[in-house]
Amino acid sequence: QKEVEQNSGPLSVPEGAIASLNCTYSDRVSQSFFWYRQYSGKSPELIMSIYSNGDKEDGRFTAQLNKASQYVSLLIRDSQPSDSATYLCAVNEGSGYSTLTFGKGTMLLVSP
Amino acid sequence: DARVTQTPRDKVTEMGQEVTMRCQPILGHNTVFWYRQTMMQGLELLAYFRNRAPLDDSGMPKDRFSAEMPDATLATLKIQPSEPRDSAVYFCASGFAGGAEQYFGPGTRLTVT
Repeated sequence: QKEVEQNSGPLSVPEGAIASLNCTYSDRVSQSFFWYRQYSGKSPELIMSIYSNGDKEDGRFTAQLNKASQYVSLLIRDSQPSDSATYLCAVNEGSGYSTLTFGKGTMLLVSP
Repeated sequence: DARVTQTPRDKVTEMGQEVTMRCQPILGHNTVFWYRQTMMQGLELLAYFRNRAPLDDSGMPKDRFSAEMPDATLATLKIQPSEPRDSAVYFCASGFAGGAEQYFGPGTRLTVT
C-alpha cells in the first residue's frame, strides 16, 4: 500500500523564520509531487508541484525533491502568521495515473 | 475565475436519511474525484471519474454510497441510508487526464445525527 508520511506537528516558528516541512513516500515509482495548503475549515489549495530532483522556487516557497531518498520537502522563507495552516504532501505515481496519495499533513504555526 | 463548486456547503441530517452532494468541476477538466476528510483518517479517495466514466470507486462503502456523473458539468455523491460515522467533510476535486494536479472545491460538511 502506498504511504505518504508527514510529521503531524504542530511546527512552531517565529515570524520571519524559515519553516521546513518534510514528507517521505513509500512508492519508488512515484513521479509527481505536490504541496497543498489547507486553512482551518477550508479546502486544500495547490501551492507547489515538483517533478524532478532538485529545488523548485516560487516566491517564498521552495520545494525540494530527492527521489533516491524518497523525500520531498517544502521550505517557507520569511514565514508570516498568514502561513499558519496545515500543509499536505501528495504523491502521484505518474504513467498517466491521475490519483494522488495524500499525507495527513503538518500543522504550521507562525507566531508574530 | 475557474473554480470547483459544491453544494450544499453544510448538511445536517438524521441517521437513515438520504444525502446527495453535488459538484461542478472546472470547465474543461475531464477527471473528477470525491474525497472524504476526517481528523482521524485524513483525506481518503472515495471515487474518481475520467470523461464521466467511473475508474475507481474502491474507497467507497458500496452498500450505501454511490457516485455518478450524469454529464460533464455535474458529479453527484449519494449516501443512502446515512449513518453517524459518515459525518465528515466531503470534497470534490477536478483535473486534466494525463496531469496529476487536482483542484479542490470548498467541500460539503456533513453531520449525521
